[in-house]
Amino acid sequence: GQSLEQPSEVTAVEGAIVQINCTYQTSGFYGLSWYQQHDGGAPTFLSYNALDGLEETGRFSSFLSRSDSYGYLLLQELQMKDSASYFCAAQQAGTALIFGKGTTLSVSS
Amino acid sequence: DVKVTQSSRYLVKRTGEKVFLECVQDMDHENMFWYRQDPGLGLRLIYFSYDVKMKEKGDIPEGYSVSREKKERFSLILESASTNQTSMYLCATYNAGGYEQYFGPGTRLTVT
Repeated sequence: GQSLEQPSEVTAVEGAIVQINCTYQTSGFYGLSWYQQHDGGAPTFLSYNALDGLEETGRFSSFLSRSDSYGYLLLQELQMKDSASYFCAAQQAGTALIFGKGTTLSVSS
Repeated sequence: DVKVTQSSRYLVKRTGEKVFLECVQDMDHENMFWYRQDPGLGLRLIYFSYDVKMKEKGDIPEGYSVSREKKERFSLILESASTNQTSMYLCATYNAGGYEQYFGPGTRLTVT
């Protein structure tokens, strides 16, 4: 079957660094995306990795290893506003994304 | 900026009613999607469409149908609403060749 696995919850304190892992099992894999969703809001796009390696966008970075079917989202200098759910999503042939179940990140002061 | 709008933010319907959820996008994107989101289950794909009048089943199409008569509009239809269809419904769009999906604000549907 096709699936993405990510931890259900992660907690951290302001200023810390946190890594959210995602392992995937999909056919026709093109790339891995990350989305952020605040309570009551819609998911918003954070990053996309089509090739192996690290992509950096400000405080957020995303990594992909196609050979290991693994990726992660790295959040640095955590802020309270980063408390949200984070979803990894596999881009497949045929356009449909498959989403993981999401990781709830709680940032405390 | 891409704008994706959904017809209602909150909706309450009775069991057995026919329910229409509408999604409109203003960026001429080919691909449109309907997801439902439930706690602990993430986003599950119901249906998607890659062109006018075209539709493909997602992971959980049972109890739903869709309509796409115009490129900018994608409707989700619950033929006979049931309580297990109480959920948050999210519409999304995405342009062919791109990788970013743009989501609407969601419709929280309660079926009583």
